[in-house]
Amino acid sequence: QKEVEQNSGPLSVPEGAIASLNCTYSDRGSQSFFWYRQYSGKSPELIMFIYSNGDKEDGRFTAQLNKASQYVSLLIRDSQPSDSATYLCAVFSSNTGKLIFGQGTTLQVKP
Amino acid sequence: GAVVSQHPSRVICKSGTSVKIECRSLDFQATTMFWYRQFPKQSLMLMATSNEGSKATYEQGVEKDKFLINHASLTLSTLTVTSAHPEDSSFYICSARVRGGRNTEAFFGQGTRLTVV
Repeated sequence: QKEVEQNSGPLSVPEGAIASLNCTYSDRGSQSFFWYRQYSGKSPELIMFIYSNGDKEDGRFTAQLNKASQYVSLLIRDSQPSDSATYLCAVFSSNTGKLIFGQGTTLQVKP
Repeated sequence: GAVVSQHPSRVICKSGTSVKIECRSLDFQATTMFWYRQFPKQSLMLMATSNEGSKATYEQGVEKDKFLINHASLTLSTLTVTSAHPEDSSFYICSARVRGGRNTEAFFGQGTRLTVV
């Protein structure tokens, strides 16, 4: 089992729709969870981080964390073509001191 | 967010030569720096974790004698790819974790695209 798993996609949504990106992780000791966006050929950029169970909203983005189910998701409301990118889920465990990434989900927002 | 500067952004070298990549945290002290490698259409693979003043911890399968990591200060870590070969061609990215507090998000450098010919 991979430490952090994501569906590679591509996930295709029409402009204005809600895009839902999912991620599961295996280390129950994980404490911090991050979503990064990566455009082709560029470095990842941090979009959201979440530490506690529940929802965290920032503009059009909402991160959801369920530690019991070892599941974290990212919702993007009113998707725009400029949101088209690969979204990487990352999990940090203080037990290992490592930040581990999922394989990323490619999102395509069609005009 | 915090700024991490990685240099160079792109390098082409001949097979058998060595290449050094620098990663600097510009406006914060980084207790830990991570080095990742990313092949096309693949995710970031952690190569090693380096803590200031101590030896780097390498992931399984990563040759520590080939990928030399030095973390001499709280703001600078370097990765040297020694005796580079074409299969080492990849996108190398450093990441620095902010020191102190509960804030454990990591900030990334711009990445270095290494091409070995």
